[in-house]
Amino acid sequence: EAGVTQFPSHSVIEKGQTVTLRCDPISGHDNLYWYRRVMGKEIKFLLHFVKESKQDESGMPNNRFLAERTGGTYSTLKVQPAELEDSGVYFCASSLGQGGSGYTFGSGTRLTVV
Amino acid sequence: RKEVEQDPGPFNVPEGATVAFNCTYSNSASQSFFWYRQDCRKEPKLLMSVYSSGNEDGRFTAQLNRASQYISLLIRDSKLSDSATYLCVVKNPGGYQKVTFGIGTKLQVIP
Repeated sequence: EAGVTQFPSHSVIEKGQTVTLRCDPISGHDNLYWYRRVMGKEIKFLLHFVKESKQDESGMPNNRFLAERTGGTYSTLKVQPAELEDSGVYFCASSLGQGGSGYTFGSGTRLTVV
Repeated sequence: RKEVEQDPGPFNVPEGATVAFNCTYSNSASQSFFWYRQDCRKEPKLLMSVYSSGNEDGRFTAQLNRASQYISLLIRDSKLSDSATYLCVVKNPGGYQKVTFGIGTKLQVIP
């Protein structure tokens, strides 16, 4: 079984540019989550999809962040325009049910805004 | 106060030693608890869920103390390969499925 796949693995962009991160969850997993780790801080929740619907987006930092999951398969997270404080590792995770047995994480996208 | 608190360490222990980590959580209604392991520059991976009665998986034992609102992870006979950051993860009640992570405790097992 393929795991959670994230692309790109690394991205370096200039402040003000746009970046789009992609996550392919495990096939059949309806629940998809985005998390972020800023250096020296805890991993923080961003949002949760159930299929194509946003179940909880309470962790999205501001309106420069836009997440989509059209068709309920892969998801994208766009940051536009990027700011320096957006640098960090963005993790995607998926779960079959409600996460009671934990999530499977992707390897993350390391975003550096310069 | 943070929702989930962990000592970031590092804990430097010799091979073969027993080491224990604690994690405290602030929400008394928290429902589910997990320990994840994260290797350097890798993704977190589920190590074990933590059950009310405590549970063991080989050299690893997890325990939950609801009265004092903490969970623990005990590693016996430490191996070099156990070196990693151990993340305490808590799921709070409610309809949403998000979880809250602790900062992680770094373990370094030395030969």
